[in-house]
Amino acid sequence: AQTVTQSQPEMSVQEAETVTLSCTYDTSENNYYLFWYKQPPSRQMILVIRQEAYKQQNATENRFSVNFQKAAKSFSLKISDSQLGDTAMYFCAFMKTGANSKLTFGKGITLSVRP
Amino acid sequence: DVKVTQSSRYLVKRTGEKVFLECVQDMDHENMFWYRQDPGLGLRLIYFSYDVKMKEKGDIPEGYSVSREKKERFSLILESASTNQTSMYLCASSSKDPSDLDTQYFGPGTRLTVL
Repeated sequence: AQTVTQSQPEMSVQEAETVTLSCTYDTSENNYYLFWYKQPPSRQMILVIRQEAYKQQNATENRFSVNFQKAAKSFSLKISDSQLGDTAMYFCAFMKTGANSKLTFGKGITLSVRP
Repeated sequence: DVKVTQSSRYLVKRTGEKVFLECVQDMDHENMFWYRQDPGLGLRLIYFSYDVKMKEKGDIPEGYSVSREKKERFSLILESASTNQTSMYLCASSSKDPSDLDTQYFGPGTRLTVL
């Protein structure tokens, strides 16, 4: 079974600075997807960024980028130029490729951006 | 844009009542999922469905059932609500299109309180 670990329950960052959220996972699979989801307070969960394990290049989406280290089974999220709207809970998630696969989530981290 | 809607944002029920939570998606997605979200536990999968009239148990199916009579609609049923089912319930859907990398899209959630 796969497990996803987000060891830091909370983090805080000053507006305009950079913050990195850590995530590690455990799997014996070779082909899989990794995701970061964002859940703002009282709002809908939305996809931030996703990565295919077979791709060595780290995914980027505007101010969001990942550091994917397959051998270390690490998938951290870097948020550059943090904005107040980045305040949210962030979940790391894993899914092996193939039919009828399930998402496995970490417990999440609460990020607060200070003005 | 993918839109996943849930019938209620907030719901209060009494112990022993039968509770229906409805989820509708408008993107013709084949796959639909029900999760519950609890502080410190992340998201846990209750049931999922990969086709109409098809269902599979997730990690915590006890006390729940589901129904999928139409492709766009996936219902979660609490046969006899109990106080330990007080939680946030999230519905999600995804496509079998490989280009979407099995990405799940979430509804706004239903916060259920069982008294």
